[in-house]
Amino acid sequence: AQKVTQAQTEISVVEKEDVTLDCVYETRDTTYYLFWYKQPPSGELVFLIRRNSFDEQNEISGRYSWNFQKSTSSFNFTITASQVVDSAVYFCALISNRDDKIIFGKGTRLHILP
Amino acid sequence: EADIYQTPRYLVIGTGKKITLECSQTMGHDKMYWYQQDPGMELHLIHYSYGVNSTEKGDLSSESTVSRIRTEHFPLTLESARPSHTSQYLCASSRTGRTEAFFGQGTRLTVV
Repeated sequence: AQKVTQAQTEISVVEKEDVTLDCVYETRDTTYYLFWYKQPPSGELVFLIRRNSFDEQNEISGRYSWNFQKSTSSFNFTITASQVVDSAVYFCALISNRDDKIIFGKGTRLHILP
Repeated sequence: EADIYQTPRYLVIGTGKKITLECSQTMGHDKMYWYQQDPGMELHLIHYSYGVNSTEKGDLSSESTVSRIRTEHFPLTLESARPSHTSQYLCASSRTGRTEAFFGQGTRLTVV
């Protein structure tokens, strides 16, 4: 069975603090892809990043960074120097070769307090 | 930049009415999806399509139906709306293969 777990339902941090959103996945497939999406209050899901299972290199994009570790089946997302505009719901997701559907975690609601 | 559009953005409708939620994409994507999002944030896949004339039911049972007559268009229909259908509905599309999906802005449906 495939599954994505985001254990943190809701997180609040003060602006400028760093925050890490956890994502743990389960899949029997050796080839799969992981994603992160952001859902701001406007409602649209915005694609942030895709990683394939053969590429464990960490990725950095501005204040955002992602840590992919196959050994722990985790794909964590860190926001450095958080800003109020980062307040949103963040979803981790998985798709594998065996299943053609994207499986989403339940999301983490992030509040950045001014 | 995603080019996927949903209309209407907001809809309040009475019980028993028939409604169609529109979704169109201009990216030429073969795969399209409908998700229902409950107030607790969780996304539930209710329908998907691999291409024209292909429709499949998702993981969450839904009384809605979909059609895929054209590549760019994937409307969702409720024959008789009920208060339990009140939710946010999100449409998405993706290229063939294991790639990311791009989402529309959603339709927030309220059935009174």
